[in-house]
Formats: sequence, C-alpha cells, structure tokens
Amino acid sequence: AQSVTQPDIHITVSEGASLELRCNYSYGATPYLFWYVQSPGQGLQLLLKYFSGDTLVQGIKGFEAEFKRSQSSFNLRKPSVHWSDAAEYFCAVARGPNDYKLSFGAGTTVTVRA
Amino acid sequence: EAGVAQSPRYKIIEKRQSVAFWCNPISGHATLYWYQQILGQGPKLLIQFQNNGVVDDSQLPKDRFSAERLKGVDSTLKIQPAKLEDSAVYLCASSLRRGTSVNLYQETQYFGPGTRLLVL
Repeated sequence: AQSVTQPDIHITVSEGASLELRCNYSYGATPYLFWYVQSPGQGLQLLLKYFSGDTLVQGIKGFEAEFKRSQSSFNLRKPSVHWSDAAEYFCAVARGPNDYKLSFGAGTTVTVRA
Repeated sequence: EAGVAQSPRYKIIEKRQSVAFWCNPISGHATLYWYQQILGQGPKLLIQFQNNGVVDDSQLPKDRFSAERLKGVDSTLKIQPAKLEDSAVYLCASSLRRGTSVNLYQETQYFGPGTRLLVL
C-alpha cells in the first residue's frame, strides 16, 4: 500500500520569508500527488495536484510543488509567506489510474510570525 | 457553486450513545467519500460511494459504523454505539467521477467543513 511521510510536524516562518514543506511517498509506480491546506475549523482545500507531465506544478495562493521521482518527493514551496498562510498542510497520494482513494500524511502545521 | 455541506458542525455525546452525520455533496458529483481525522493525524478514508453503491468500505469499522447514500445524493454516516476513540472530525468529500472515467480532472476531491465529534 502507498504511504506518505511529512517529516516536519511544525514549522515556524517569518512573514515574507520563503516556505518549503516536505513530502515523501512510498509507492512503486508514479502516483497521483496532492497538497491540501486546512485552516482552523475548516475543511481541506486543494492547493495543487500532480498527475503527469511537467514536474513543477503551480497551484493557488502562490504555491508550487515539484515532483522528483528519484527522491520520491513532492515538496511544496512558496517564495513569500503571508500571515494568512498559517494553517495545516497535508500531502496526499492516490494510486491511480482508476483508484483515486487518498492516503494522507500526518500534516505539517505552519505558524507565521510577524 | 455551492460546496460540500455537512451537519451538524459539532456534536458532543457520551460513550455508548449513537450519532449520525449528514453530507450533501456538490451538485452533480457522483462519488462521495467519508473520512475520519483524529487529532494530530491526516484524514483516513472510511467509505467511498459511487452514486448509491459502495465502492470501498474496507476501513469502516462495521460493528459500529454504518453509512448509506440513498438516491445517490445525500449521505449519512452513523456510529452506534460510540466509543471514546471515535472522537474525531468526520469529513465528507465529493468528486465528479462516474464509472471508469479517465478524466483526471473529475478525480479532484472537494471537502466539506467537517463534523467535530467529542465522545465523553
């Protein structure tokens, strides 16, 4: 079965600084990869997804992620963090094709300091 | 476009009581998912419906959890009797997917705000 590891439980970053969240997956083939964000008391919102093609994926809110097959990674980045980016971020994987059940990592909590 | 709706948003019950959660997916979405998110963990899939049929319920604790999706639209998830370890947020998600479609766009899951359950 596929699995997802998010090594960082909590990250604190200054407003305006860059942010990188790590995600590693364990799966033999190329999975479908997702990043979701969850603000307090809210459901999950899709930031971006990777199915195939260009390994650098652009998402909403200025986020991007890069798929690196050699490292089994799908790290999320943002060049300049805003206070509103404080939230919990989840990486998820689906086996595909025809199997789109998501397996989620444990999440990374991002705190933004002024 | 309205999102996925869930109710109630919060529920507190005592152990051994029963509880039910309701989900209304985005209009036209054929596939519906229920996830359980325990504090400090990522969501875990409980059950997947396509229209009104169950696709996968392998992670659903069937001795106490049940779910249905009559008429292929709304869905309810029930716990009876509840245990302390059922305290979690229950998330509902939906996607367009119908049949064995290979349109990857249709596979994006949209989540509702969740129901936060506390079992005392």
